Amino acid sequence: AQSVTQLGSHVSVSEGALVLLRCNYSSSVPPYLFWYVQYPNQGLQLLLKYTSAATLVKGINGFEAEFKKSETSFHLTKPSAHMSDAAEYFCAVSDQGDSWGKLQFGAGTQVVVTP
Amino acid sequence: DTAVSQTPKYLVTQMGNDKSIKCEQNLGHDTMYWYKQDSKKFLKIMFSYNNKELIINETVPNRFSPKSPDKAHLNLHINSLELGDSAVYFCASSPWGGDSSYEQYFGPGTRLTVT
Repeated sequence: AQSVTQLGSHVSVSEGALVLLRCNYSSSVPPYLFWYVQYPNQGLQLLLKYTSAATLVKGINGFEAEFKKSETSFHLTKPSAHMSDAAEYFCAVSDQGDSWGKLQFGAGTQVVVTP
Repeated sequence: DTAVSQTPKYLVTQMGNDKSIKCEQNLGHDTMYWYKQDSKKFLKIMFSYNNKELIINETVPNRFSPKSPDKAHLNLHINSLELGDSAVYFCASSPWGGDSSYEQYFGPGTRLTVT
């Protein structure tokens, strides 16, 4: 079964600094990969997805992620953090060809933005 | 207009009781999901329905029974509640099939506390 590992359960960044959230997947066959964001007391929202097209994927709110097969990684970045980026971020994976929408989520990374 | 709504938002009940959570989506999606998020924010899929047909049924105690009266509604009934059932339960919906099935829209969650 596919799985993802998110390095760092808690990340603190200064406003205006780079945001880097790490995600590695475990599969010899590249899966579909996703980043979701959960703001406090809300449901999850899709930030971006990789489904075997361009390896650099741009999402909402200035976030982007790069799929690197050699590193089995799909790290999420944002050049300049805003206070509104404080949230929990989840990396998720699914098998290619599984059209039933079954996602396996990572453990999440909480992002704190300091002034 | 709320895209995916859940009721109730909070549910506090005693062990052994039976309770239901309701979910409705007005996005016109064919597929709906139930997820459980535990106290460590780990998110795991429980069930998925496509147009009233059960398509994902993870290893979940049979005390949990989903019901989909139509494709816009998905309810979750829990019998004989246990302390370990305390969690946040999220409903989600997506289009059916292909890459779009991973663009899941989440409800605000129902926080269930079993005492």
